Amino acid sequence: KQEVTQIPAALSVPEGENLVLNCSFTDSAIYNLQWFRQDPGKGLTSLLLIQSSQREQTSGRLNASLDKSSGRSTLYIAASQPGDSATYLCAVLPYGNNRLAFGKGNQVVVIP
Amino acid sequence: GAGVSQSPSNKVTEKGKDVELRCDPISGHTALYWYRQSLGQGLEFLIYFQGNSAPDKSGLPSDRFSAERTGGSVSTLTIQRTQQEDSAVYLCASSPTSGGGYNEQFFGPGTRLTVL
Repeated sequence: KQEVTQIPAALSVPEGENLVLNCSFTDSAIYNLQWFRQDPGKGLTSLLLIQSSQREQTSGRLNASLDKSSGRSTLYIAASQPGDSATYLCAVLPYGNNRLAFGKGNQVVVIP
Repeated sequence: GAGVSQSPSNKVTEKGKDVELRCDPISGHTALYWYRQSLGQGLEFLIYFQGNSAPDKSGLPSDRFSAERTGGSVSTLTIQRTQQEDSAVYLCASSPTSGGGYNEQFFGPGTRLTVL
């Protein structure tokens, strides 16, 4: 069974600092990995999707890397802003499966 | 463009009552998923629909839970004889296709269910 872990569960950083969020998964047989953002009381917003053949994806201040062999992904947010405060969820789509396996999230607070 | 929509956004019910939650996927998306997010828990898969194929119901926690998808579009998740442990946020997602590296799932805003 695929298990996804996100550490730390919660973190606070001052505005302007770079954010580094880590995700690890136990089975490297995946189709892709998605990073999502969830604001309190809201649904999930897809940030980046990395296919298993890719090493990274970038969108604006966001960069996500994937090391499938070691079962790790990192989401990097440059020059954090208070509006980046949210919970960030990592999810993998295992081979032969249609269901995403989620981590429990990194709860981020960016302090103005 | 229109994303995934869900209704109601909030539902409060009494223990033992039945509830229906609705999901409207993105137009043209063939795959539809239901997940549940309980307090302190990660998101857990409930059920998956792909086109006209039989749904994958393997994530449903008990036979009190059922779902259908009519006309390959709108889906309804029904919980019968609700229990307090059913309290959670129920999230629906859709994707253009299923499986493969291109399968990006788009989520709705969720329905927050509270069972008193």
